[in-house]
Amino acid sequence: KQEVTQIPAALSVPEGENLVLNCSFTDSAIYNLQWFRQDPGKGLTSLLLIQSSQREQTSGRLNASLDKSSGRSTLYIAASQPGDSATYLCAVKSSSGGSNYKLTFGKGTLLTVNP
Amino acid sequence: NAGVTQTPKFQVLKTGQSMTLQCAQDMNHNSMYWYRQDPGMGLRLIYYSASEGTTDKGEVPNGYNVSRLNKREFSLRLESAAPSQTSVYFCASCEDRDTYEQYFGPGTRLTVT
Repeated sequence: KQEVTQIPAALSVPEGENLVLNCSFTDSAIYNLQWFRQDPGKGLTSLLLIQSSQREQTSGRLNASLDKSSGRSTLYIAASQPGDSATYLCAVKSSSGGSNYKLTFGKGTLLTVNP
Repeated sequence: NAGVTQTPKFQVLKTGQSMTLQCAQDMNHNSMYWYRQDPGMGLRLIYYSASEGTTDKGEVPNGYNVSRLNKREFSLRLESAAPSQTSVYFCASCEDRDTYEQYFGPGTRLTVT
């Protein structure tokens, strides 16, 4: 059974700092990995999706990497801003065991960027 | 292009009452999903539908039923609500040709008293 872990559970940084959020998964047979952002009381917004054949994806100040063999992904946020404050969720789409349609989520990292 | 829409946004039920949560997507996706999100538990899959006319159980299906009415709509029904079903419910749909990227609706906050 796929399990996804995100560390740390919460992170508080001063504005302007570069930071890394971590995601690990137990079964390396994945189709893709998706990073989401969730603001309080809101739905999930997709930030980046990395296919299993890719090593990284970039969008603006965000860079996500994937090391499938070690079961790890990182989300790098450059020059953080107070508007980046949110919960960041990592989700893995498995490609084994007939679960082609299933996303397994981590519990998220609550990021606070202080002005 | 509204993406994934959900109704209602908020709902309060008494134990034993029934209700249906509605979800619709306008992206012509085949796959649709219902999740619940609880503090400390993360998002958990309740049911999913890989295509019109098919549905399958996820991790936590007990107490719920679903209907894939057509390609656009996927509803979740609580026949006899229980306090343990107090949660935020999210519907999602999936692009199922290349990236299999999932898109989420804004959620329904349900309280069962």
